[in-house]
Order: sequence, then structure tokens, then C-alpha cells
Amino acid sequence: DIQMTQSPSSLSASVGDSVTITCRASQSISGYLNWYQQKPGKAPKLLIYAASSLQSGVPSRFSGSGSGTDFTLTISSLQPEDFATYYCQQSYSTPYSFGQGTKLEIK
Amino acid sequence: QVQLQESGPGLVKPSETLSLTCTVSGGSISTYYWTWIRQPPGKGLEWIGYMYHSGSTNYNPSLKSRVTISVDTSKTQFSLKLSSVTAADTAVYYCARVPPRDSKSYAFDIWGQGTMVTVSS
Repeated sequence: DIQMTQSPSSLSASVGDSVTITCRASQSISGYLNWYQQKPGKAPKLLIYAASSLQSGVPSRFSGSGSGTDFTLTISSLQPEDFATYYCQQSYSTPYSFGQGTKLEIK
Repeated sequence: QVQLQESGPGLVKPSETLSLTCTVSGGSISTYYWTWIRQPPGKGLEWIGYMYHSGSTNYNPSLKSRVTISVDTSKTQFSLKLSSVTAADTAVYYCARVPPRDSKSYAFDIWGQGTMVTVSS
């Protein structure tokens, strides 16, 4: 099974800041990496698929990069609605797996 | 616009079978993979398994012996059955859609709102 490890587990930032979240796979997953945003009491929402493609309707301040085992999600110019928990997920092989999550909090 | 909605009992007794249904509205159940994901309170996300519209299935090995996912194309619904439940199966259960693998957007692109299932006597 492929293990996904995110860092950091939590992060404090201010509105207007730029932040980067890292996700590492235990083996190469090519570009089969997706990012989700989850707010309390809500279902996760797809932000980025195939490592760097922006899902329709997602603001352009979200961007993703990486391939193989190392990936990043960058949020530029944080907005109040961006404070949430972020998960990476590999779709390279089953069982599909998620990172443990990164909670982004307001400083 | 495609929407998913989970339904089923919110309370299940230990050793019994958890049964949930996901209703797909606004689109066809064909072509896509239909999947279940769960999230224990305060914890991360776990993929349970998927069914392709043709009927083929793929389950997480950690749950495989207890899981059945089936689809009813006539009703545009798919369902989850998880047998011999324990307190460890208490979670929010989500249904989600996955485009075909040859689609670039091979991700959980549409989710239901989730339904909380508690296992308790």
C-alpha cells in the first residue's frame, strides 16, 4: 500500500499570506496526486487533480506542483474562506490513500 | 449538475450490518466509478471501495472481507453494506464520483454531504 505523508500537520497564517503544504508518497505515483479542502461539518472539495490541474471553479490562488514522490500545494494571498483542513490523495493504485491532513488556522 | 445524497440508518448495533444508499441526481450513473469513503470523528479519510457502472468492484483490503458495494442503474443509486460492525466503524460515510482512469481528472470530483453512522448498542 502507498503511504501519504503531509507536512506540516498544522499551520498558522494571516490573511494575505502565501502558504505551502507538502505531500510525500512512499513510492512513485507519477502525477496521480489530488488535493482536497475540507471545512468543519462539510464534505471534502476537490481543488487540484493530476498534481497541478485546477478543478473548475476553484480560485487561481490555489496551485499544485510535483511528480513522483514529492508534491506541494500553494495558496497565495490567503483569504478568510481558505482556513480549513487540506488533504492530499493518491489515485495511482488501490487502495487509494489520503495524507493525514494539514489544518490551516488563522494567526 | 450532478448531486449525490447518502441515506440510511444513523445508528447500527455492534455485529450487525451497516447499509447505506447513495442517490445520484442530475446525471447518468454510466461511465463513472462510484465510491465510498469514511471519516471517523476528528480523524482523516479512508477509502472503502468502488464499483464501476458495469459492476466490477475494488475494495480496500483492510475492509474487503466485510464490504459489498452494488449499483442499481435503473434507480441511479449505489449502495454500501459493511457487515459485523464494531465501534471502530463509527464514522461519517461519504459517497463520491470518480471519472474514468483515462480521464485526466481521476479524482473524487463530486461528493455527497456525508451521513454520520454510530455503532452502539
